[in-house]
Amino acid sequence: GQQVMQIPQYQHVQEGEDFTTYCNSSTTLSNIQWYKQRPGGHPVFLIQLVKSGEVKKQKRLTFQFGEAKKNSSLHITATQTTDVGTYFCAGSGSGAGSYQLTFGKGTKLSVIP
Amino acid sequence: EAQVTQNPRYLITVTGKKLTVTCSQNMNHEYMSWYRQDPGLGLRQIYYSMNVEVTDKGDVPEGYKVSRKEKRNFPLILESPSPNQTSLYFCASAFRGDYNEQFFGPGTRLTVL
Repeated sequence: GQQVMQIPQYQHVQEGEDFTTYCNSSTTLSNIQWYKQRPGGHPVFLIQLVKSGEVKKQKRLTFQFGEAKKNSSLHITATQTTDVGTYFCAGSGSGAGSYQLTFGKGTKLSVIP
Repeated sequence: EAQVTQNPRYLITVTGKKLTVTCSQNMNHEYMSWYRQDPGLGLRQIYYSMNVEVTDKGDVPEGYKVSRKEKRNFPLILESPSPNQTSLYFCASAFRGDYNEQFFGPGTRLTVL
């Protein structure tokens, strides 16, 4: 079945440093989503990317979808303590089973004040 | 307030004792889904439902049952729980046309002894 790999598993940064997490799929995705889960909380939807090569920004967060629609990245500029949490990517395949969502294992971000 | 609710939030049970975790949403969403979250494994989809009376297996359906008799409810049933089903469970819902933007419930922490 579809596999979504995410790296790194953990990242510790000093407040103000940048952070990037990468997501790779074993198959071509129809779209990819990013979620954030604060410690002790539930996943919260951040964004969806649909088009090949798409780039979207949300304030200090930049999301990219690869040209081949098999990889994606989330970049946070100048991290803040409020960015702490685990970031998950999730992908949907195309065709049959495309309503199934496969999550990466997540990148846990710690920000040192 | 738009929300997904789960009950119970915490449950400790014993092997073989049937249990049901309820999930309800008040957003008139067609799509509902169950996930389990385990350390190092991320979120894995158990079952999902595109609408009333329509359910499909996710990545890890073994040992679980679901039903979708009403649009707002999507209970998760463990007929004979085993210790390897100890996990944090999340229910999520979304509009059918935008099923990737999923709204998650607060989670149910289940321990099977």
